[in-house]
Amino acid sequence: DQQVKQNSPSLSVQEGRISILNCDYTNSMFDYFLWYKKYPAEGPTFLISISSIKDKNEDGRFTVFLNKSAKHLSLHIVPSQPGDSAVYFCAASEVEYGNKLVFGAGTILRVKS
Amino acid sequence: DGGITQSPKYLFRKEGQNVTLSCEQNLNHDAMYWYRQDPGQGLRLIYYSQIVNDFQKGDIAEGYSVSREKKESFPLTVTSAQKNPTAFYLCASSKRLAGGGTYNEQFFGPGTRLTVL
Repeated sequence: DQQVKQNSPSLSVQEGRISILNCDYTNSMFDYFLWYKKYPAEGPTFLISISSIKDKNEDGRFTVFLNKSAKHLSLHIVPSQPGDSAVYFCAASEVEYGNKLVFGAGTILRVKS
Repeated sequence: DGGITQSPKYLFRKEGQNVTLSCEQNLNHDAMYWYRQDPGQGLRLIYYSQIVNDFQKGDIAEGYSVSREKKESFPLTVTSAQKNPTAFYLCASSKRLAGGGTYNEQFFGPGTRLTVL
């Protein structure tokens, strides 16, 4: 049973527009959420995170929104750039159980110039 | 430069052979992890270690083994018992579990692609 779901396998966006990547989770005990970015044949790199006590966290062009009642989070990238083209993984953790992460299947983002 | 190294980048093995994947970090992190990635799937946790000489099974530990004799190193052995070993393997590390609601994000190595012939 997938506890973290990214239902869109891919997303295509025009350069300069907003990219919105979505993630749903089922485990209400998750209290920390992260987004990782991954290029082919490389390891994921940490992008941005949010604790369950917040509903928004912003870092430059990247903003993560958390809706706990809907068990949903989203990553907004504004403006999108061609270099943002990568696979984006959503991950979640129960801090009580330490650093174990549960990952979604990923969404391939393509930013067209 | 601090970071995580994995070697080799590409690895081929014959069916029925054991193979060991290397993971070394110089970030002074206490915790280390092994994940597996298959096409169209997220990363799945194989094993993790929070401290030297201690490790725990993750979600898909069957057919794998690990050791943690040094803080810097966390090798993964893919045994012949692993029924479908062809995959992309990722090693990660983080600061030790802090507790009290504090989370320490994981840093990943470049990965090893294992192909069983």
